[in-house]
Amino acid sequence: GAGVSQSPSNKVTEKGKDVELRCDPISGHTALYWYRQSLGQGLEFLIYFQGNSAPDKSGLPSDRFSAERTGGSVSTLTIQRTQQEDSAVYLCASSLGFGTGGYEQYFGPGTRLTVT
Amino acid sequence: EDKVVQSPLSLVVHEGDTVTLNCSYEVTNFRSLLWYKQEKKAPTFLFMLTSSGIEKKSGRLSSILDKKELFSILNITATQTGDSAVYLCAVKLTFGTGTRLQVTL
Repeated sequence: GAGVSQSPSNKVTEKGKDVELRCDPISGHTALYWYRQSLGQGLEFLIYFQGNSAPDKSGLPSDRFSAERTGGSVSTLTIQRTQQEDSAVYLCASSLGFGTGGYEQYFGPGTRLTVT
Repeated sequence: EDKVVQSPLSLVVHEGDTVTLNCSYEVTNFRSLLWYKQEKKAPTFLFMLTSSGIEKKSGRLSSILDKKELFSILNITATQTGDSAVYLCAVKLTFGTGTRLQVTL
Protein backbone atom coordinates (compact mmCIF):
# COMPACT_ATOMS: atom_id res chain seq x y z
CA GLY A 1 0.00 0.00 0.00
CA ALA A 2 0.92 3.65 -0.20
CA GLY A 3 1.46 4.03 3.51
CA VAL A 4 0.54 2.68 6.91
CA SER A 5 -3.18 2.87 7.54
CA GLN A 6 -5.05 2.59 10.81
CA SER A 7 -8.69 2.22 11.66
CA PRO A 8 -10.77 3.59 13.11
CA SER A 9 -9.34 7.10 13.12
CA ASN A 10 -11.40 7.95 16.19
CA LYS A 11 -13.04 5.71 18.76
CA VAL A 12 -15.15 6.74 21.70
CA THR A 13 -16.05 3.95 24.09
CA GLU A 14 -17.52 3.54 27.52
CA LYS A 15 -15.38 2.47 30.40
CA GLY A 16 -15.34 -1.30 30.73
CA LYS A 17 -15.94 -2.05 27.06
CA ASP A 18 -13.42 -3.83 24.81
CA VAL A 19 -11.92 -2.13 21.75
CA GLU A 20 -9.98 -3.34 18.74
CA LEU A 21 -7.61 -1.13 16.81
CA ARG A 22 -6.36 -2.14 13.40
CA CYS A 23 -3.13 -1.43 11.55
CA ASP A 24 -2.30 -2.16 7.91
CA PRO A 25 1.47 -1.81 7.40
CA ILE A 26 3.28 -0.96 4.20
CA SER A 27 3.38 -3.99 1.94
CA GLY A 28 6.61 -5.92 2.35
CA HIS A 29 7.50 -4.43 5.74
CA THR A 30 8.35 -7.26 8.09
CA ALA A 31 8.42 -5.28 11.32
CA LEU A 32 5.40 -3.62 12.90
CA TYR A 33 5.21 -1.50 16.03
CA TRP A 34 2.52 -0.14 18.33
CA TYR A 35 2.98 3.02 20.37
CA ARG A 36 0.73 5.09 22.58
CA GLN A 37 0.87 8.86 22.85
CA SER A 38 -1.02 10.63 25.60
CA LEU A 39 -1.76 14.34 25.33
CA GLY A 40 1.47 16.33 25.36
CA GLN A 41 3.58 13.25 25.96
CA GLY A 42 6.16 11.40 23.93
CA LEU A 43 5.62 8.05 22.28
CA GLU A 44 5.35 5.11 24.64
CA PHE A 45 6.41 1.79 23.11
CA LEU A 46 3.88 -0.98 23.52
CA ILE A 47 4.87 -3.97 21.38
CA TYR A 48 6.58 -4.89 18.15
CA PHE A 49 6.27 -7.77 15.71
CA GLN A 50 8.86 -9.44 13.54
CA GLY A 51 6.72 -11.26 11.05
CA ASN A 52 3.89 -12.71 13.11
CA SER A 53 5.78 -13.10 16.34
CA ALA A 54 6.17 -10.57 19.13
CA PRO A 55 9.60 -10.97 20.76
CA ASP A 56 9.09 -8.07 23.15
CA LYS A 57 5.78 -7.55 24.92
CA SER A 58 7.35 -5.68 27.82
CA GLY A 59 5.77 -2.37 26.89
CA LEU A 60 2.18 -3.54 27.23
CA PRO A 61 0.87 -1.60 30.26
CA SER A 62 -1.30 -4.40 31.65
CA ASP A 63 -2.76 -7.78 30.80
CA ARG A 64 -5.83 -5.97 29.44
CA PHE A 65 -3.71 -5.16 26.39
CA SER A 66 -2.95 -7.73 23.73
CA ALA A 67 -1.93 -7.67 20.10
CA GLU A 68 -1.66 -10.07 17.25
CA ARG A 69 -0.46 -10.05 13.69
CA THR A 70 -1.55 -12.48 11.04
CA GLY A 71 -0.08 -13.31 7.66
CA GLY A 72 2.84 -11.01 8.34
CA SER A 73 0.58 -8.11 7.55
CA VAL A 74 -2.41 -6.70 9.43
CA SER A 75 -2.18 -6.27 13.18
CA THR A 76 -4.85 -5.68 15.78
CA LEU A 77 -4.35 -4.19 19.23
CA THR A 78 -7.07 -5.17 21.66
CA ILE A 79 -7.80 -3.41 24.91
CA GLN A 80 -10.18 -5.23 27.22
CA ARG A 81 -12.25 -3.58 29.93
CA THR A 82 -11.09 -0.11 28.92
CA GLN A 83 -10.25 2.44 31.59
CA GLN A 84 -10.16 6.23 31.31
CA GLU A 85 -6.36 6.21 31.52
CA ASP A 86 -6.32 4.23 28.26
CA SER A 87 -7.44 7.39 26.43
CA ALA A 88 -4.64 8.32 24.04
CA VAL A 89 -3.61 8.25 20.41
CA TYR A 90 -2.46 4.79 19.40
CA LEU A 91 0.14 4.90 16.64
CA CYS A 92 1.24 2.03 14.48
CA ALA A 93 4.45 1.99 12.46
CA SER A 94 6.18 -0.43 10.15
CA SER A 95 9.70 -0.84 8.87
CA LEU A 96 11.45 -2.87 6.24
CA GLY A 97 13.38 -4.77 8.86
CA PHE A 98 13.58 -4.78 12.59
CA GLY A 99 13.92 -1.22 13.92
CA THR A 100 16.44 -1.29 16.74
CA GLY A 101 19.18 -2.10 14.24
CA GLY A 102 18.50 1.14 12.44
CA TYR A 103 15.51 0.90 10.13
CA GLU A 104 13.38 4.00 9.81
CA GLN A 105 9.80 3.55 10.87
CA TYR A 106 6.84 4.75 8.82
CA PHE A 107 3.92 5.79 10.97
CA GLY A 108 0.21 5.60 10.42
CA PRO A 109 -2.14 8.49 11.24
CA GLY A 110 -3.12 6.95 14.55
CA THR A 111 -6.36 6.05 16.29
CA ARG A 112 -7.59 8.52 18.87
CA LEU A 113 -9.22 6.52 21.66
CA THR A 114 -11.44 8.26 24.17
CA VAL A 115 -12.80 6.29 27.10
CA THR A 116 -15.74 7.98 28.81
CA GLU B 1 16.28 1.03 31.39
CA ASP B 2 16.91 2.91 28.15
CA LYS B 3 16.53 6.69 28.36
CA VAL B 4 16.23 9.43 25.77
CA VAL B 5 16.07 13.04 26.94
CA GLN B 6 15.36 16.00 24.70
CA SER B 7 15.83 19.69 25.34
CA PRO B 8 14.45 22.23 25.30
CA LEU B 9 10.88 21.03 25.81
CA SER B 10 9.60 23.92 23.74
CA LEU B 11 10.97 26.79 21.76
CA VAL B 12 9.49 29.86 20.07
CA VAL B 13 11.58 31.60 17.41
CA HIS B 14 11.09 34.12 14.64
CA GLU B 15 11.14 33.13 11.02
CA GLY B 16 14.72 33.19 9.75
CA ASP B 17 16.28 32.22 13.07
CA THR B 18 18.54 29.19 13.47
CA VAL B 19 17.65 26.62 16.13
CA THR B 20 19.49 23.74 17.74
CA LEU B 21 17.57 20.88 19.32
CA ASN B 22 19.28 18.47 21.68
CA CYS B 23 18.93 14.77 22.35
CA SER B 24 20.92 12.80 24.91
CA TYR B 25 20.60 9.09 25.50
CA GLU B 26 21.56 6.23 27.77
CA VAL B 27 20.89 2.88 26.15
CA THR B 28 22.43 -0.56 25.97
CA ASN B 29 23.58 -1.88 22.61
CA PHE B 30 23.34 1.40 20.75
CA ARG B 31 22.97 0.99 16.99
CA SER B 32 21.43 4.20 15.69
CA LEU B 33 19.62 7.38 16.61
CA LEU B 34 16.68 8.65 14.60
CA TRP B 35 15.02 12.04 14.31
CA TYR B 36 11.36 12.47 13.38
CA LYS B 37 9.11 15.47 12.79
CA GLN B 38 5.53 15.30 14.11
CA GLU B 39 3.15 17.94 12.85
CA LYS B 40 -0.36 16.64 13.40
CA LYS B 41 -0.45 12.94 14.03
CA ALA B 42 2.06 10.69 12.26
CA PRO B 43 5.77 11.33 12.88
CA THR B 44 7.76 11.49 9.67
CA PHE B 45 11.35 10.37 9.38
CA LEU B 46 14.11 12.95 9.11
CA PHE B 47 17.50 11.35 9.78
CA MET B 48 19.15 8.19 10.97
CA LEU B 49 22.60 8.52 12.50
CA THR B 50 24.88 5.60 13.18
CA SER B 51 28.40 7.01 13.03
CA SER B 52 29.90 9.61 15.27
CA GLY B 53 30.92 12.95 13.81
CA ILE B 54 29.32 12.52 10.41
CA GLU B 55 26.77 15.20 9.61
CA LYS B 56 23.56 14.26 7.86
CA LYS B 57 22.02 17.10 5.87
CA SER B 58 18.76 17.69 4.09
CA GLY B 59 18.12 21.21 2.90
CA ARG B 60 18.02 23.51 5.92
CA LEU B 61 18.08 20.63 8.38
CA SER B 62 21.20 18.89 9.58
CA SER B 63 22.08 16.52 12.38
CA ILE B 64 25.18 15.10 13.97
CA LEU B 65 25.86 12.38 16.51
CA ASP B 66 28.48 12.22 19.25
CA LYS B 67 28.73 8.61 20.43
CA LYS B 68 31.36 9.39 23.01
CA GLU B 69 29.24 12.01 24.78
CA LEU B 70 25.98 10.19 23.96
CA PHE B 71 24.08 12.98 22.30
CA SER B 72 22.85 14.31 19.02
CA ILE B 73 21.79 17.73 17.80
CA LEU B 74 19.34 18.72 15.12
CA ASN B 75 19.94 22.10 13.50
CA ILE B 76 17.43 24.04 11.47
CA THR B 77 18.70 27.14 9.69
CA ALA B 78 16.59 29.98 8.26
CA THR B 79 13.49 28.62 9.99
CA GLN B 80 10.10 28.91 8.30
CA THR B 81 6.60 28.70 9.75
CA GLY B 82 6.30 25.27 8.14
CA ASP B 83 9.03 24.02 10.47
CA SER B 84 6.63 24.40 13.41
CA ALA B 85 6.20 20.89 14.80
CA VAL B 86 7.30 18.54 17.54
CA TYR B 87 10.72 17.04 16.83
CA LEU B 88 11.25 13.57 18.26
CA CYS B 89 14.48 11.74 18.88
CA ALA B 90 14.49 7.95 19.17
CA VAL B 91 17.03 5.30 20.07
CA LYS B 92 15.97 1.67 19.66
CA LEU B 93 12.30 1.70 20.65
CA THR B 94 12.58 4.56 23.12
CA PHE B 95 11.42 8.03 22.11
CA GLY B 96 12.13 11.28 23.86
CA THR B 97 9.23 13.51 24.84
CA GLY B 98 10.09 15.81 21.96
CA THR B 99 10.84 19.48 21.46
CA ARG B 100 7.88 21.60 20.41
CA LEU B 101 9.12 24.25 17.98
CA GLN B 102 6.97 27.21 17.05
CA VAL B 103 8.18 29.55 14.32
CA THR B 104 6.43 32.91 14.25
CA LEU B 105 6.35 35.59 11.55
